[in-house]
Order: sequence, then C-alpha cells, then structure tokens
Amino acid sequence: EDKVVQSPLSLVVHEGDTVTLNCSYEVTNFRSLLWYKQEKKAPTFLFMLTSSGIEKKSGRLSSILDKKELFSILNITATQTGDSAIYLCAVGGGTSYGKLTFGQGTILTVHP
Amino acid sequence: EAGVAQSPRYKIIEKRQSVAFWCNPISGHATLYWYQQILGQGPKLLIQFQNNGVVDDSQLPKDRFSAERLKGVDSTLKIQPAKLEDSAVYLCASSFGSWTSNRESNTQYFGPGTRLTVL
Repeated sequence: EDKVVQSPLSLVVHEGDTVTLNCSYEVTNFRSLLWYKQEKKAPTFLFMLTSSGIEKKSGRLSSILDKKELFSILNITATQTGDSAIYLCAVGGGTSYGKLTFGQGTILTVHP
Repeated sequence: EAGVAQSPRYKIIEKRQSVAFWCNPISGHATLYWYQQILGQGPKLLIQFQNNGVVDDSQLPKDRFSAERLKGVDSTLKIQPAKLEDSAVYLCASSFGSWTSNRESNTQYFGPGTRLTVL
C-alpha cells in the first residue's frame, strides 16, 4: 500500500523564522511529488517535483526531491502570518494514472 | 479562468439520510477526482473519472457511495444512507490530463469543498 508520511505534524514559529517541512514516501511506480497549501478548505497547488536534486522556488518557498532516499523538503524563509496553513504533501504513482496519495499534513502556525 | 465549483458548501444531515454533492471542474479538464478529507487527515481519493469513464474507484465504499459523470463534465457524488463516520469535507479536483508527456498537465486543482456533518 502506498504511504506518505509528513513531519512534524505541527509547528509553531514567529514571523521571520525559517521552517523546513518533511515528506517521506513509499510508492510503487513513482511519478511525481506535489506540495499543496490548505487554508480553510481548498488545497492550493505550490510545486510539482519529478526529478531528484532540482530545486523549485517560488518567492520565499522552495522545495527539493531526493528520489534515492524517498523524501522531499519544503522550506519557507522569513515566515509571515499569512503562511499559517496546513501543508500537504502528495505523491503520484501506483497503477492508476493521476492518483495522488496524500500525507496527513503539517499544521504551520506563524505568530506575529 | 474559473476554478473548480462545488455545492453545497455545508450540509448537515441525520444518519441514514441521503445526501448529494455537485462538482463542476475547470473547463477543458478531462479528469475529475472526488476526495474525502476527515478532520486531521490528508485527502483520500474516493473516485477518479477520465471524461465519463471511471479510472479508479478502489477506495469508494460502494455499498453506500455512488458517483457519476454522465456527460464527461460535471459530476455528482451521493451517499445513501449516511453514517456518522462520513462526516468530513468532500473535495472535488480536476486536471487537464491524467498523465501525458507534459507532467504539469497532471496538476490537480481543488474546489472549495463541501463540509458534511452527520448527526
């Protein structure tokens, strides 16, 4: 059975701190790893990673994938209160094209 | 570009009642997904459609859940009869393709979800 595990489950920081969120996976026929940010209800897409060692960046957020060690990290620098959300890691793979297996999420709280 | 639309946004029912959710994907997106997200957990895929055909429904509790996408555009998910453990947010997502040489087309975009409470 495909499995995605995120750590930590929750994190409380102050504005300006840098945080690192972790995602490890066990998936047959790996295709891609995606990061989503979930505020209130709908997860919003952040990154899709398919190749090891290539960092993706968007403003203060960056992410990298290690396909040998089967994990990914999401970094957020200079955190702001608007970064408070649940960060979800999802992995595409298995026998069904397009199917994503999600981790349980990391709850990030940024205090002013 | 309009996003994924879902309705209703909230629904409260009693156990053993029936409920239906509606989803309209992003225009041109061939693949549609229904997820169940229980509080404190990540979304779990219930069913995946490619156009009007079912690709994966292995995690759909078929004794009480059903879904259709008759014309390959919008979709409905039904629960009949509901149980207490069905209380969750039901998310609909869509993507342009399920897998092509352009992997970016597989990015799933989510709707706002329907929060279901079963009493």
